[in-house]
Amino acid sequence: DIQMTQSPASLSASLGETVSIECLASEDIYSNLAWYQQKPGKSPQLLIYYASSLQDGVPSRFSGSESGTQYSLEINSLQPEDEGDYFCQQSYKFPLTFGSGTKLEIK
Amino acid sequence: EVQLVESGGGLVQPGRSLKLSCAASGFTFSNYYMAWVRQAPKKGLEWVATISTSGSRTYYPDSVKGRFTISRDNAKSSLYLQMNSLKSEDTATYYCARHGATVVTGDVMDAWGQGASVTVSS
Repeated sequence: DIQMTQSPASLSASLGETVSIECLASEDIYSNLAWYQQKPGKSPQLLIYYASSLQDGVPSRFSGSESGTQYSLEINSLQPEDEGDYFCQQSYKFPLTFGSGTKLEIK
Repeated sequence: EVQLVESGGGLVQPGRSLKLSCAASGFTFSNYYMAWVRQAPKKGLEWVATISTSGSRTYYPDSVKGRFTISRDNAKSSLYLQMNSLKSEDTATYYCARHGATVVTGDVMDAWGQGASVTVSS
């Protein structure tokens, strides 16, 4: 199975700041990486697929990038509504696997 | 508007069975692979099962293989998850999710239901 190692487990940032969340795949997943946002008490929502493609309706302050087997989610100009949990997921092969999540707090 | 509405959750004793349902609307259900994803309390996401458009192919992780069965009824735009031999570690919110429609989104979940809570306890 492909392991997804996500970091940090939590972070706190102020309004307007830029934050980055990382996911390291245990093997090459050829850009097949998605990011989800889960707001408190809600179901997950797709933000980014294929490492850097923005899902329809997602603000452009969200962006994804990759370097080898390391994938990153960057959120620019943090807004209050960005608070929540973020998960990566590899979509390269079954079993589909998720990162352990990052809890983002807006100060 | 895409809608996925789960039902059938509840409290069940260890070793017993439970069947979840998901009613889909707002899209052509028969054109999409569908999945179940669960989330234990205060924990991360775990993929549980995927079914092809016709239902002929199913996929499971080792943690539920042989105990859980995913199925669908395209005429009713409905997805199901039959869970047998339930264990305490199956306690979670179970989400019905739609797989993406393209080559690059095929195994990404682009729509999610609100979730059904399953508690396995004596």
